[in-house]
Amino acid sequence: GAVVSQHPSRVICKSGTSVKIECRSLDFQATTMFWYRQFPKQSLMLMATSNEGSKATYEQGVEKDKFLINHASLTLSTLTVTSAHPEDSSFYICSARDFAASGLSRADTQYFGPGTRLTVL
Amino acid sequence: AQSVTQLGSHVSVSEGALVLLRCNYSSSVPPYLFWYVQYPNQGLQLLLKYTTGATLVKGINGFEAEFKKSETSFHLTKPSAHMSDAAEYFCAVIDTGGFKTIFGAGTRLFVKA
Repeated sequence: GAVVSQHPSRVICKSGTSVKIECRSLDFQATTMFWYRQFPKQSLMLMATSNEGSKATYEQGVEKDKFLINHASLTLSTLTVTSAHPEDSSFYICSARDFAASGLSRADTQYFGPGTRLTVL
Repeated sequence: AQSVTQLGSHVSVSEGALVLLRCNYSSSVPPYLFWYVQYPNQGLQLLLKYTTGATLVKGINGFEAEFKKSETSFHLTKPSAHMSDAAEYFCAVIDTGGFKTIFGAGTRLFVKA
């Protein structure tokens, strides 16, 4: 089946530094990738939708200058948390849609990465 | 706008007992519905999904869910719980014409020996 990877799986950084998280679709092309944030014992909150070759679409309340998203190829999207602060500590999960899917299944072919645990000290 | 409500943030069952996790949705159009499972510090794994057709959907690991339009529900069941089923379960909905997945708050399943 389709696999989505994330790197790194865990990262600890100092306050004020920037952190880049990679999301890769390993065996399929992903025109659209999604970035979610999950606080402990809470649900996933969609942060932004990343489309290959175009600007990301951010959800209301998400600072686009704080969470930079780049989707430069059909297999890679990156999320950069700029000037990270302790309140940015969270579990970040990406998902990718399979470009090859078509018809009614197109909307539901979404595969999730294993997540990245970010801790900002 | 679509929304999902999961009744019960925690459910505890004994090993071998029936598992029932409740999910109700709100949608102005026929929805696509999903159940995902998340183990600690991991991403989400798709258990099953409903798009169209048969309303009783069978998924992996012995789980199944039934889409009931009249009740706007999509409850997840498993006849006999196993210790390995202990995890967080999320019900989700996606617009037929949209791209976003909207998740419920999640239900943590505990399985007692």
